[in-house]
Amino acid sequence: EAGVAQSPRYKIIEKRQSVAFWCNPISGHATLYWYQQILGQGPKLLIQFQNNGVVDDSQLPKDRFSAERLKGVDSTLKIQPAKLEDSAVYLCASSFNRGPSPLHFGNGTRLTVT
Amino acid sequence: ILNVEQSPQSLHVQEGDSTNFTCSFPSSNFYALHWYRWETAKSPEALFVMTLNGDEKKKGRISATLNTKEGYSYLYIKGSQPEDSATYLCVGGGSNYKLTFGKGTLLTVNP
Repeated sequence: EAGVAQSPRYKIIEKRQSVAFWCNPISGHATLYWYQQILGQGPKLLIQFQNNGVVDDSQLPKDRFSAERLKGVDSTLKIQPAKLEDSAVYLCASSFNRGPSPLHFGNGTRLTVT
Repeated sequence: ILNVEQSPQSLHVQEGDSTNFTCSFPSSNFYALHWYRWETAKSPEALFVMTLNGDEKKKGRISATLNTKEGYSYLYIKGSQPEDSATYLCVGGGSNYKLTFGKGTLLTVNP
């Protein structure tokens, strides 16, 4: 089966600019996650979708971050405007359902904000 | 949200050594425990998902155990190889299906 696709792989922007990341999960996976991983820390959940509905966005900085999952398939994560502390790896993952299913990860996007 | 702790933070072993890491989590409201291997420049790869107290799972030279009553899981690697060098992530799932990652254990296997 095809894996989780993410793009871009790398992105360098200046602070206050905008950036968007794209994710295509594994076909048939109802649950989609966006994680932020800052160097030296474990991945932190930003938002979790079940089909096209949000089930958890409690740690998403909603003043600058937004995400959508149109039609319950692809998803985009946007940051506007970016801050220096947003420099991180952004990981998209999908799973078959919300139960004890393993997560399947994309390769991630390494964002550098200068 | 579960507080998931991993130790050690990093580990250097020689090729052929066996090693193990620990993941601890609150035993209340536990739902599932995941282990992932994350190699540099690659995406995290699922190793195990465990839910039952006493669960033991094995994949080649890697195995894991789960104790939900005391809130810990061990990951064992037998006869470490350089290709085992990676960050090993433990993920705790609470009863509300929320997953919390530990900070990981960085394993370096020297040839």
